Amino acid sequence: SQQGEEDPQALSIQEGENATMNCSYKTSINNLQWYRQNSGRGLVHLILIRSNEREKHSGRLRVTLDTSKKSSSLLITASRAADTASYFCATDGGGFKTIFGAGTRLFVKA
Amino acid sequence: AAGVIQSPRHLIKEKRETATLKCYPIPRHDTVYWYQQGPGQDPQFLISFYEKMQSDKGSIPDRFSAQQFSDYHSELNMSSLELGDSALYFCASSLGLLAGSSYNEQFFGPGTRLTVL
Repeated sequence: SQQGEEDPQALSIQEGENATMNCSYKTSINNLQWYRQNSGRGLVHLILIRSNEREKHSGRLRVTLDTSKKSSSLLITASRAADTASYFCATDGGGFKTIFGAGTRLFVKA
Repeated sequence: AAGVIQSPRHLIKEKRETATLKCYPIPRHDTVYWYQQGPGQDPQFLISFYEKMQSDKGSIPDRFSAQQFSDYHSELNMSSLELGDSALYFCASSLGLLAGSSYNEQFFGPGTRLTVL
C-alpha cells in the first residue's frame, strides 16, 4: 500500500452494532477522506475531514482525525446489512492525487 | 446529476496487445485522475491531469500513457499488455484545487475491468 495500515483488515459484526475502522498515514495532509466500495464496484465518497478538524459527523458516520498521531477512525453506528463493503481511507498526498490505504472489509450479519 | 463516465466497462485483451480506456469527467470538472485496483488490493494512483497538463504521476508503468483532451475527457493507453495488468481501472474527476483551499473532492467513475489473457 502507498499509505499506512488500516485496522482491522476485516471486521464481522451483527446488525445494529457499531463498527469502528482505523487508518494511519505517513505524510502531512491537507485532508483525509473515507470511501466505500462494494465488491468489484466503484468507489463512493463518504466523508472528508480537513487537517484542522478533529471530528466530523454525517448521518450514521463519525470520523475523527488526529494529525499528531497521523491517524483517523471511521465509526458506523447502528450498522445494517447494507453497510457490508470495503472501506478505504485516503489522503490528498499534497497534490493532484489520492493515496489510499489498504482498506477494511466490513461484513454485517443480518 | 451527471457522473463520471468510463468506457468500456469491460475489456478483454490478449498479452502484448494494446488497450485504450476512456474517461469523461463531470461537466465543468477540469481535473482527471486514473487509478488501478488489482484483485483484493487498494486503488493505486497512476496519473492525473489538470487543465490538460499532467499534474501528478504515481506508479504508472512506462508502457502506459495518458492524456487529457480539449474537452477534458481523458484516455489511458496501455501497450504490451501483461497478465498483471488485469485490474479495475478507475477514473475520477474534480474541480481541481480551489484557489486558497485544500479541498479536492474526487468523484469516481464505475471503473473499467480489464482482463488480460
